[in-house]
Amino acid sequence: LAKTTQPISMDSYEGQEVNITCSHNNIATNDYITWYQQFPSQGPRFIIQGYKTKVTNEVASLFIPADRKSSTLSLPRVSLSDTAVYYCLVGVGYSTLTFGKGTMLLVSP
Amino acid sequence: EAQVTQNPRYLITVTGKKLTVTCSQNMNHEYMSWYRQDPGLGLRQIYYSMNVEVTDKGDVPEGYKVSRKEKRNFPLILESPSPNQTSLYFCASSQRTSGRLQETQYFGPGTRLLVL
Repeated sequence: LAKTTQPISMDSYEGQEVNITCSHNNIATNDYITWYQQFPSQGPRFIIQGYKTKVTNEVASLFIPADRKSSTLSLPRVSLSDTAVYYCLVGVGYSTLTFGKGTMLLVSP
Repeated sequence: EAQVTQNPRYLITVTGKKLTVTCSQNMNHEYMSWYRQDPGLGLRQIYYSMNVEVTDKGDVPEGYKVSRKEKRNFPLILESPSPNQTSLYFCASSQRTSGRLQETQYFGPGTRLLVL
């Protein structure tokens, strides 16, 4: 299983763009990259998923360089409600079900 | 409404008293899973089930049992709870589809368990 490394925490202010980078040096050819968001005392919620280049949805963008050894979750113009823990997962099918410790994002006014 | 439900949401019990946490999903998902979440350790998978009557161990299965007799239900059983099983538990489900895409999991609201 590909191991992921994320910053433990990040701070930001409302209205700023936040980029959270995840390192996954031993990603396999078939692996996808998925990000989840978790609010306190709630279950994680799917945000975005990608394989290579860039993926964008109504919530976030995911940037994946050509070597796929890292990925960056981009949250445009964050608000207080974006304060949460963000998890990066790498795998294929049901092979990767280890969430790790995630990145605690704190958005301040 | 598509959802994963867990019961109870909160439970205080004593060491050795058997308990069951229920999990049910109404999305006809084939895959279901249980996680526990502890401060500083993130989410760790306990057991998972690929389909009815098919279950397998995750990262931390010791002290837990599961069963999958019906597609929608996946109960977590603690035969003899101990204080180190005090934790926040999440059930999750996802649709099993063909292809290589990693499946998106839908999580329940969580069950906070305290074992005295």
